[in-house]
Amino acid sequence: NAGVTQTPKFQVLKTGQSMTLQCAQDMNHEYMSWYRQDPGMGLRLIHYSVGAGITDQGEVPNGYNVSRSTTEDFPLRLLSAAPSQTSVYFCASSSGLAHYNEQFFGPGTRLTVL
Amino acid sequence: DQQVKQNSPSLSVQEGRISILNCDYTNSMFDYFLWYKKYPAEGPTFLISISSIKDKNEDGRFTVFLNKSAKHLSLHIVPSQPGDSAVYFCAASASVRGASKLTFGTGTRLQVTL
Repeated sequence: NAGVTQTPKFQVLKTGQSMTLQCAQDMNHEYMSWYRQDPGMGLRLIHYSVGAGITDQGEVPNGYNVSRSTTEDFPLRLLSAAPSQTSVYFCASSSGLAHYNEQFFGPGTRLTVL
Repeated sequence: DQQVKQNSPSLSVQEGRISILNCDYTNSMFDYFLWYKKYPAEGPTFLISISSIKDKNEDGRFTVFLNKSAKHLSLHIVPSQPGDSAVYFCAASASVRGASKLTFGTGTRLQVTL
């Protein structure tokens, strides 16, 4: 069981470039989400999905797109990177929607936008 | 508007003594509270949680206390060990359209010294 995996671990982009952050889980979890962590801000929810084909916006969705074509994968797309998107990105998954369903986090992707 | 606040960015405690990490929240809709622990270059991992119907939950060396009237919770670690050195995030949960969403605090870096 690999749990939640994220690629790449590190990425440097130039302003205006696009890229996709990959997230995969092998626990057959229905619920997946993306967070960003910034200094002094804690983790903030970007987008989440309650199952294949269903996504919704979180607290800070602007500038990001997501899709969920399979249960396992939940990629995060930056269409036109901006310096404000420099952050550490965490993907998480859980078996259910209730608050007692533990969320498992991936190791993170550190993104720098120049 | 920070709905979950951890006012101490760092805390240093001697090995064997008690560590007390504090968290305050403002949203009365939060009904479940969690603590996550994060080591460098890793994702957060779940530590302990408490429902709003309780005022205390204990798991080994870790105890979480909830004071609903004060909108305050705290994490006690007794005795503290060097391996407890990490960043601790307080998180609160409220169900939105049937899905639980976490709101994180900014984190407290705990250093346990020998």
